[in-house]
Amino acid sequence: DAKTTQPPSMDCAEGRAANLPCNHSTISGNEYVYWYRQIHSQGPQYIIHGLKNNETNEMASLIITEDRKSSTLILPHATLRDTAVYYCIADSDQTGANNLFFGTGTRLTVIP
Amino acid sequence: GAVVSQHPSRVICKSGTSVKIECRSLDFQATTMFWYRQFPKQSLMLMATSNEGSKATYEQGVEKDKFLINHASLTLSTLTVTSAHPEDSSFYICSASAGDYEQYFGPGTRLTVT
Repeated sequence: DAKTTQPPSMDCAEGRAANLPCNHSTISGNEYVYWYRQIHSQGPQYIIHGLKNNETNEMASLIITEDRKSSTLILPHATLRDTAVYYCIADSDQTGANNLFFGTGTRLTVIP
Repeated sequence: GAVVSQHPSRVICKSGTSVKIECRSLDFQATTMFWYRQFPKQSLMLMATSNEGSKATYEQGVEKDKFLINHASLTLSTLTVTSAHPEDSSFYICSASAGDYEQYFGPGTRLTVT
């Protein structure tokens, strides 16, 4: 699976949009981009995933560049409960059957 | 959505004793479960992949005789830390696949070995 790189930390004001970038320049054509987050002392939680089209669900939006070498997770109106470590993962499987490689992630702090 | 539980959530044990951690998929059958370990301020590291009815596949550097994994049913996998030592103190997290795109994680078990 392709390696991803993310900034180690970011701050965001409460109520504003949080834009979390991820680089995956070596991603292959069959690899999806997944985002998970881990709130302190809890198990990770799935957020969203996509292949090449932009995706949106009730939690977030995922914008993938046309060359698929990078993506951005957008939390449209960040709340204090969104403070967590966000992991961007490239994975070729869409059944959840592959183990996930968690890099260092981005620690997002939402500031009141 | 699918739910994965872990038991216990916290455990303290003495050095040299063994500890068993259970991971259950509550409302779905999981042919594959994963065990991760997370040290403070570090990311999750995969320890092993557990397949129902067969032997677990361990990652390089993980001692299979020390971390015993049993996946006897489609809803239960157990991790036993044998002869635990203080360096085994960590946050242990399991996850399971329900066959859809999402992997479902348990809430984790915090093990402290004194």
